Amino acid sequence: KAGVTQTPRYLIKTRGQQVTLSCSPISGHRSVSWYQQTPGQGLQFLFEYFSETQRNKGNFPGRFSGRQFSNSRSEMNVSTLELGDSALYLCASSAGQDRLGTDTQYFGPGTRLTVL
Amino acid sequence: AQKVTQAQTEISVVEKEDVTLDCVYETRDTTYYLFWYKQPPSGELVFLIRRNSFDEQNEISGRYSWNFQKSTSSFNFTITASQVVDSAVYFCALTYPTGGFKTIFGAGTRLFVKA
Repeated sequence: KAGVTQTPRYLIKTRGQQVTLSCSPISGHRSVSWYQQTPGQGLQFLFEYFSETQRNKGNFPGRFSGRQFSNSRSEMNVSTLELGDSALYLCASSAGQDRLGTDTQYFGPGTRLTVL
Repeated sequence: AQKVTQAQTEISVVEKEDVTLDCVYETRDTTYYLFWYKQPPSGELVFLIRRNSFDEQNEISGRYSWNFQKSTSSFNFTITASQVVDSAVYFCALTYPTGGFKTIFGAGTRLFVKA
């Protein structure tokens, strides 16, 4: 079974631009969660999508948004990029049977975003 | 407050030594889930174990073992006879239902295993 895939793996943008990251979950998984990892703040939860609906949200500004498609693939968008958005963005998928914590999350390799 | 503390920032051991990574958590919820993940240099988080709050049984998987103690709110992870391939950052995480099942991670412990 293929694991979680994320594209692109690396991305360089400039301040003020916007960016879209993509995540394909493990086949059969219906829940996709996004995390931001930085040296200063560590791993922080962004949001979770289940069956094309945002089911859970962390404490990030509205510049961070996402969506999920009918095939469970998910995209995350960051608008008006700031230097502080430079981070590793990790996507995790789970079966999503019931609640986020009921199922184990399997992580992708991440997208490393650098904002100049 | 909901919190996960991994007090050890970095640990360095010599191969074949045993090492314990500490994790202390805080939560007001009675139902919650605890996890350990490994993050090798490649960056991908690798799932190691999940434990729910009602299951205090310790677990052993090969060279890995976990000690869950609700009385001290700790979920420690021991690697026996460490190997160079164990070098990675290890994260402890807590998922709790208040506010809609959020997951928070500890700051991570970087483990160096020297040959």
